[in-house]
Amino acid sequence: RKEVEQDPGPFNVPEGATVAFNCTYSNSASQSFFWYRQDCRKEPKLLMSVYSSGNEDGRFTAQLNRASQYISLLIRDSKLSDSATYLCVVRRGGDKLIFGTGTRLQVFP
Amino acid sequence: DVKVTQSSRYLVKRTGEKVFLECVQDMDHENMFWYRQDPGLGLRLIYFSYDVKMKEKGDIPEGYSVSREKKERFSLILESASTNQTSMYLCASSLNRGGQPQHFGDGTRLSIL
Repeated sequence: RKEVEQDPGPFNVPEGATVAFNCTYSNSASQSFFWYRQDCRKEPKLLMSVYSSGNEDGRFTAQLNRASQYISLLIRDSKLSDSATYLCVVRRGGDKLIFGTGTRLQVFP
Repeated sequence: DVKVTQSSRYLVKRTGEKVFLECVQDMDHENMFWYRQDPGLGLRLIYFSYDVKMKEKGDIPEGYSVSREKKERFSLILESASTNQTSMYLCASSLNRGGQPQHFGDGTRLSIL
């Protein structure tokens, strides 16, 4: 079983839609959580950190449920430019990050 | 803005060759990392370094070594390249120990023939 699991998608949604991605992690000692975005043939870029109380950055909302070992990302009012792969990332300990394999989002006009 | 630069975007080498992948960061970051990314497997950590001349094995170090002689430069070495090392290689850096986000280079797509 992978340490960080995500639905690979693809999620195909129209512009303006709300879409949610989920991620589960298996190591209860995981310490920090992030969402990265990766465009096709590009490097991953930090989208947002995920805090225990939940946090929002514009159209993006991240939630963490430590009891269920579950992380989510909600995107409201989807734009064409949101089309990308979204990587769920967990810090296991020290500075080692464990990456999920990503969820692909395609927003269409 | 953090800049992580990898020496080559595309590289083609032959089986058995010694291959060097170079990575330079310009933000005086202490931590540097090498990953490989393969379809269906995601990013996997090969080696990392918290300081000059320090290195630690990641999850898949076999067949690789690293060198960090200067703080800004972290090199990945394939001692004797094999076809199963064909992959996208990504270098990253982060400020210091403490869970800071990692910043990635553009990646090197390496093909071993």
